[in-house]
This record gives sequence, C-alpha cells and structure tokens, in this order.
Amino acid sequence: DGGITQSPKYLFRKEGQNVTLSCEQNLNHDAMYWYRQDPGQGLRLIYYSQIVNDFQKGDIAEGYSVSREKKESFPLTVTSAQKNPTAFYLCASSRPYPGEKLFFGSGTQLSVL
Amino acid sequence: AQSVTQLGSHVSVSEGALVLLRCNYSSSVPPYLFWYVQYPNQGLQLLLKYTSAATLVKGINGFEAEFKKSETSFHLTKPSAHMSDAAEYFCAVSGGQAGTALIFGKGTTLSVSS
Repeated sequence: DGGITQSPKYLFRKEGQNVTLSCEQNLNHDAMYWYRQDPGQGLRLIYYSQIVNDFQKGDIAEGYSVSREKKESFPLTVTSAQKNPTAFYLCASSRPYPGEKLFFGSGTQLSVL
Repeated sequence: AQSVTQLGSHVSVSEGALVLLRCNYSSSVPPYLFWYVQYPNQGLQLLLKYTSAATLVKGINGFEAEFKKSETSFHLTKPSAHMSDAAEYFCAVSGGQAGTALIFGKGTTLSVSS
C-alpha cells in the first residue's frame, strides 16, 4: 500500500540533544511538508519542500532543520536551539499541482525528559 | 496571504442531531478549501475539498460543506451525528500555486453524546 511512514511513533529528547524524526513516502509525490501540532493551536508549518535538494522555511522554522536528498525522504531534526520541542509532529506529501490535497503520516510525539 | 478561522474550539451534539462546524477564510486569490478529520494520536484524513467546480461539496462519511464567497465561509455539516464522528476537525486553505502548503485553522473538537 502507498503511504507515508513516520518513525518513531514516540521520541524522547534530553536537554541539549538533537533528535531526528523520519518521514518516508512511496506515493511518488514531489512536495513534502512538516507540521507541528500543539493542543488548541492547530497545525503550524515548520518546513516544506517542493522538489529534491530544495526546501523553504515555514512559519515556525527556528530550532529545526531539514534535508531533502531523496524524493522519498524528508527528515526533520529538532535541534537543541528549540527550547519547547514537546509536540506532535506530522509529515505530509502532495502532488505538485495547485489545490492538491495533502496525505499525512500517523505522526511522532516528541517529549522532553 | 491566506488564513482560516474556526469558530468554536469545542462543539457538543447528541447522537442523531445536526452537526455544524464553522470555518471562515481569508484569501487574496481564489482559494482551495479543505476539511480534515483527526482521530486521537493519528494523522489527518481528508473529508472533502472545494476547488471551484461546485459550491456544495460532498465528502466521506455523510459530511458536506458549502462555499459561500460573499460570506467567506466554508462550513461543514452532517444531518445526523454518529458516535463515531467524535474527533477533531480542521479547516484549511491554500492558494493557487503548485506545492503550496495548506494553512490550517486551530481545530474544532466534536463530542457526540448518546
């Protein structure tokens, strides 16, 4: 079955530590996205990529980094500069046409130890 | 720039009652509008989307939404609520460019009582 796989489902970060969230898709989509979800805040865009080797900052990119070396993969690193990383992180992908829907992974819950 | 406002962070209905979740949008270009549903600890699933083909859009699980340009609204309705409809619902908007990220509202939690 085609879809988006996020791993791990739960992740714990120690103070000063960088952690990487994985996102893989086999839908052959060009565009990929990372959103952060906090209770009552909706989904806020962290980074997005429209094509391999290119990505753009979203509304809350500070403290995060991404790479897009392969079409299928769009990992997100939460750096130690992100002082409030506890949240539910959602990865999504879409076809490269106007108005296309996003397909979402099942999310990663990141907590601070 | 686009934005979305969902009116009411929490809506409670009885089983069999009408469901109405409100969404107003702001967009400088003709918008694409979406409703997504999220069950606890899961990703988002598309309910329906508006792409200007018709103002009344029918989606999955008996949901529908009507685009009203004059009111800049895209409210979600279902004639008769089921217990399984209890979830969080998000309205989202995007502009006309390919690969443009969706802008989401803050969500409305729907509770259904028996």
